[in-house]
Amino acid sequence: EIVMTQSPATLSVSPGERATLSCRASETASSNLAWFQQKPGQAPRLLIYSASIRATGVPARFSGSGFGTEFTLTISSLQSEDFAVYYCQQYNNWPPYTFGQGTRLEI
Amino acid sequence: EVQLVESGGVEVQPGGSLRLSCAASGFTFGDYAMHWVRQAPGKGLEWVSLIAWNGGSTYYADSVKGRFTISRDNSKNSLYLQLNSLRAEDTAYYYCAKGRTNSGWSAFEYWGQGTLVTVSS
Repeated sequence: EIVMTQSPATLSVSPGERATLSCRASETASSNLAWFQQKPGQAPRLLIYSASIRATGVPARFSGSGFGTEFTLTISSLQSEDFAVYYCQQYNNWPPYTFGQGTRLEI
Repeated sequence: EVQLVESGGVEVQPGGSLRLSCAASGFTFGDYAMHWVRQAPGKGLEWVSLIAWNGGSTYYADSVKGRFTISRDNSKNSLYLQLNSLRAEDTAYYYCAKGRTNSGWSAFEYWGQGTLVTVSS
């Protein structure tokens, strides 16, 4: 099973600042890596797939990078609606599909 | 517009059973792999099960293998999860999710709003 580890657990930033979230896989996930955003009381929303491709309707301030075992989600200029929990997930080696434990982005 | 609507979540006693449903619309349901993912209240996401586009292959997390059964009815645009021998640790919101493609190597593109299963005596 591939273990996904996200850091930091909580990231405190201000609106307009840049946020960088990290995700590490215990073995290669190739480019089969997705990022999700989850707000309180809502279902997760796909932001990024194939490590770097924005999903439909996702603003350009969200970008993903990485390959293999190291991945990054960058939000270039934080908006108030971006404060949420972010999860990475690998779909390279399954079952099981595995998620990171989440990074909470807070003001 | 893609819509996934789960139903069937209730409070049940340990050892009990229930069946969750997911009604799909806005896409050709039979063309896509479908998943169930759960989230215990206040916790992270845990993948539960996958069913291939034609129902021909199914996969499960070790934590539910032998107790849960995934199925689909493409004629009804519906996904199901039968939960048996329920335990307290199965308490969670259960989400159905649509794969981007008919392959297992694809991201979970759309998610339903979830249905809450509570296992408690």
